[in-house]
Amino acid sequence: GAGVSQSPSNKVTEKGKDVELRCDPISGHTALYWYRQSLGQGLEFLIYFQGNSAPDKSGLPSDRFSAERTGGSVSTLTIQRTQQEDSAVYLCASSPSKGSNQPQHFGDGTRLSIL
Amino acid sequence: AQSVTQLGSHVSVSEGALVLLRCNYSSSVPPYLFWYVQYPNQGLQLLLKYTTGATLVKGINGFEAEFKKSETSFHLTKPSAHMSDAAEYFCAVSDAGNMLTFGGGTRLMVKP
Repeated sequence: GAGVSQSPSNKVTEKGKDVELRCDPISGHTALYWYRQSLGQGLEFLIYFQGNSAPDKSGLPSDRFSAERTGGSVSTLTIQRTQQEDSAVYLCASSPSKGSNQPQHFGDGTRLSIL
Repeated sequence: AQSVTQLGSHVSVSEGALVLLRCNYSSSVPPYLFWYVQYPNQGLQLLLKYTTGATLVKGINGFEAEFKKSETSFHLTKPSAHMSDAAEYFCAVSDAGNMLTFGGGTRLMVKP
């Protein structure tokens, strides 16, 4: 597809379980971002990948959150030992290159519900 | 540190009326500014952006925004609202850190 693809679109899991969320960026985009959208906190930056550089993890809320990007393309966000406060929509975005002036293109998100 | 404030979490206008959504920012460096729109159960779609050059920026769907450095504002306007404009709108700023910092969002309601 032409846009950013995220899967699954919805995920319901029990507290304490681990979850993996996947993001397929637009082909050729070197920058990839994860954000979280929740009722209480709005839209928050989580992590940023640019090419082969070390990721900017400054937005990850705890050490239960991690992300990787394989081959400079697909990214997986992993949440271990999920808590109810992790319930949110997780949005992935990509942009053509490094640079704060580059617009980010967003996927439709994964809605995560922790029971 | 950068921040964005959107005045008014909910704005209601009549169809055909002027739309004005307010955004003020703070940034330690010259900012890049963006407006995104989000429809229910969808991601964010770019409406327009300001990076450098002309301070009046035109975007999609008839929206425009004006960068006013002296007022640290980047308000979004549309001369005539349409029912299809009902959505949530987010103002965002980006500086050297590359990531976007978003405002709290404004939900626009359009009355027939």
